[in-house]
Amino acid sequence: IVLTQSPGTLSLSPGERATLSCRASQSVTSSYLAWYQQKPGQAPRLLIYDASSRATGVPDRFSGSGSGTDFTLTISRLEPEDFAVYYCQQHGSSRTFGQGTKVEIK
Amino acid sequence: EVQLVQSGAEVKKPGESLKISCKGSGYSFTNYWIGWVRQMPGKGLEWMGIIYPGDSDTRYSPSFQGQVTISADKSISTAYLQWSSLKASDTAIYYCTRHDNYYHPGGYWGQGTLVTVSS
Repeated sequence: IVLTQSPGTLSLSPGERATLSCRASQSVTSSYLAWYQQKPGQAPRLLIYDASSRATGVPDRFSGSGSGTDFTLTISRLEPEDFAVYYCQQHGSSRTFGQGTKVEIK
Repeated sequence: EVQLVQSGAEVKKPGESLKISCKGSGYSFTNYWIGWVRQMPGKGLEWMGIIYPGDSDTRYSPSFQGQVTISADKSISTAYLQWSSLKASDTAIYYCTRHDNYYHPGGYWGQGTLVTVSS
């Protein structure tokens, strides 16, 4: 399964809403779709799994949705610490990652 | 507290062999899958493979099958990633990550090991 994320870069201001897309080349089994956040020099951080379940300790401004081949990560109101790169991953058998979306300060 | 502590940065020459490690603590090491992820300089994340330390059941991404070997020593709660002959293109940060089960990521990651391969 190939995952394609869009846009490549999202330029937004703190307080704005961010909508990130992840499209799969074929249907993702059991909605096994995860989202990660990565900041420079840090390991990735799991945000969402099973398309819409928040990982432990993740603020509720992060939400995931979608099924089949189209998935979305929404950050309701961007905080300064949310500017980072975000990756989707299908966490079924092949576990491929998308190429990433950079959320940068406008 | 669950922790994954990886071995330190390595500088190697092309053709050399290397084995890096990931030591788990704060949980039952044999009961959780450990995966490995590559991140080349300035690039995205790539899934390499996964191992179940309880019985060493190992699965590889097709892109990495035959290129690396994943193993584990449950007696010392440590997983390994090794190369028999490094190439310059193996230069990257390598992360280990613990899963909750085979299909679900667990949200626990090592700090990463930087491997630099240069003549």
